Amino acid sequence: DVKVTQSSRYLVKRTGEKVFLECVQDMDHENMFWYRQDPGLGLRLIYFSYDVKMKEKGDIPEGYSVSREKKERFSLILESASTNQTSMYLCASSETAHTEAFFGQGTRLTVV
Amino acid sequence: QQQVKQSPQSLIVQKGGISIINCAYENTAFDYFPWYQQFPGKGPALLIAIRPDVSEKKEGRFTISFNKSAKQFSLHIMDSQPGDSATYFCAASYSSASKIIFGSGTRLSIRP
Repeated sequence: DVKVTQSSRYLVKRTGEKVFLECVQDMDHENMFWYRQDPGLGLRLIYFSYDVKMKEKGDIPEGYSVSREKKERFSLILESASTNQTSMYLCASSETAHTEAFFGQGTRLTVV
Repeated sequence: QQQVKQSPQSLIVQKGGISIINCAYENTAFDYFPWYQQFPGKGPALLIAIRPDVSEKKEGRFTISFNKSAKQFSLHIMDSQPGDSATYFCAASYSSASKIIFGSGTRLSIRP
């Protein structure tokens, strides 16, 4: 059974903290994505990676960075967490842009 | 323009009725149009997808209708069931980029 695993389901952090969200996939997929999901705004792309150590900005990259040192792992970093980054974060992977994207269960991050 | 516009934001349908969700896009380079279904507490999962060389694709009770000239596509759920109650996202992607752009989502409720 294919799987995308996010390290935490729920996370509470303080304003100004550096936050790491980890995602691991076991399907040997080239592409990995980070989205945030907010009511009424759908899934907004933060960053994606199409190869190890390769990354591209999505639609809302401000305040975030990413790291992909190994093919199976894609990390999202909040450099200095702010309350407006309170959201559900979803990681996904896919073989190509034309194949199914598999999602993790999400990390609900609250910044206080 | 990368945006994919989805409507309605929410939809209530009687059991046995037809649920219709619409999406429109701007970028004519898009060449893959999937629909994802998300249940509470879960990540989105692929439901059905279409490429622009066909005008319709049907899988069971789910049908995508695609109008290339109007740059619109829609999801039809026939004989809607309470188990179909979920959030639905349309999406689009294209060959020269790995990223997948999602619509804002539709919360569908099927009344028994």
